[in-house]
Amino acid sequence: SYELSQPPSVSVSPGQTASISCSGEKLGDKYVSWYQQKPGQSPVVVIYQDNKRPSGLPERISGSNSGNTATLTISGTQAMDEADYYCQAWDSSTAVVFGGGTKLTVL
Amino acid sequence: QVQLQESGPGLAKPSETLSLTCSVSGYSISSGHYWAWIRQSPGRGLEWIGSIHHSGSIFAPSSLKSRVSISMDTSKNQIFLRVTSATAADTAMYYCAREERSGSYNWFDPWGPGLLVTVSS
Repeated sequence: SYELSQPPSVSVSPGQTASISCSGEKLGDKYVSWYQQKPGQSPVVVIYQDNKRPSGLPERISGSNSGNTATLTISGTQAMDEADYYCQAWDSSTAVVFGGGTKLTVL
Repeated sequence: QVQLQESGPGLAKPSETLSLTCSVSGYSISSGHYWAWIRQSPGRGLEWIGSIHHSGSIFAPSSLKSRVSISMDTSKNQIFLRVTSATAADTAMYYCAREERSGSYNWFDPWGPGLLVTVSS
């Protein structure tokens, strides 16, 4: 079955750029979505189809996907960005697959 | 604005069947889109349980297919989930979500607030 791997945690200083990776075999051939989940809340999509932002989300949140790795990038990181982030892809054999999640800490 | 709300018993005994309902407002489920169930075990990641379209198409992971049943009532604008032979491993927050799906891509937006279901004797 297809699997997506994410680092368990990423730390960043306020105002700096945070990058969260998501790895899978030939992931660049698939479309990736990213979800933000804050404590006690349900997930919210922040990126879909690799690099599209839902309306209302700031431009400082961006996504890319190439080769075996998709990356969620948050520039000018703020305290409000502290959350768990999950990548998700569609695979023809597994259908929907989620990464294990990355806890972003803004120090 | 589409809103989803999960409901159902928050506690079940091992071997029982979990029965959850997702009520949708602000959008007719027969208008299109897939509708999905996703769960999250305490302190763990997200697991897709399955998706349904009003046309009758249903998708579910092979790991759960034998125990999962998803259906919908378009007249009530509701989606249903049944998980048979429940065990402690089915203890989780259960979310329903609208799924955008086309060809080789999909994403989930929005999600309901979730329903915590505990399986314990």
